[in-house]
Amino acid sequence: AQTVTQSQPEMSVQEAETVTLSCTYDTSESDYYLFWYKQPPSRQMILVIRQEAYKQQNATENRFSVNFQKAAKSFSLKISDSQLGDAAMYFCAYGAGYGGSQGNLIFGKGTKLSVKP
Amino acid sequence: NAGVTQTPKFRILKIGQSMTLQCTQDMNHNYMYWYRQDPGMGLKLIYYSVGAGITDKGEVPNGYNVSRSTTEDFPLRLELAAPSQTSVYFCASSPRGTVNQPQHFGDGTRLSIL
Repeated sequence: AQTVTQSQPEMSVQEAETVTLSCTYDTSESDYYLFWYKQPPSRQMILVIRQEAYKQQNATENRFSVNFQKAAKSFSLKISDSQLGDAAMYFCAYGAGYGGSQGNLIFGKGTKLSVKP
Repeated sequence: NAGVTQTPKFRILKIGQSMTLQCTQDMNHNYMYWYRQDPGMGLKLIYYSVGAGITDKGEVPNGYNVSRSTTEDFPLRLELAAPSQTSVYFCASSPRGTVNQPQHFGDGTRLSIL
């Protein structure tokens, strides 16, 4: 069975600085996707960034980027120039590729990010 | 656009009571999902549906029932509420059952069983 592990229950960063959130996963599939979701206190689940396993290039979305190490099954999220609005729970999630699931996601336990002014 | 709408947003139940959590989407998505999020944990799949009339169990289905009579609606029923079902419940939808199509989440229902 696939698992997703986030080993940092809480992280803190100074405004304008950079922080990296860690995620490891376990799967025997070769076709899969990885995601980072942000959950602010409003409880909304907001997709931050996603990575296709077959792509070598690390995904980036503005201040958010990932370090995808497929052999190590590692998928970390880097937030640059941190802003107060980045404070939230961040969830790493795994989804098997086509034919490997019914489109559902497997989530880690989350990392609570605090941003200090 | 409304997207995925969940009602109610909050509810307190007594042990043994029953209730239905409502979920509706207006995007004509075939796939719909129910997740629960326990305190300090990630989301876990309860049930999912691949289209009207078709449902299947996820990782944690015990104590719940679902139905899918229309494409738009996917209600989740708790028959005999137990304290272990205290959680935040999220409904999500996707156009196809592949994760390369982003899931659209509702805002969640916070349910407390006392």
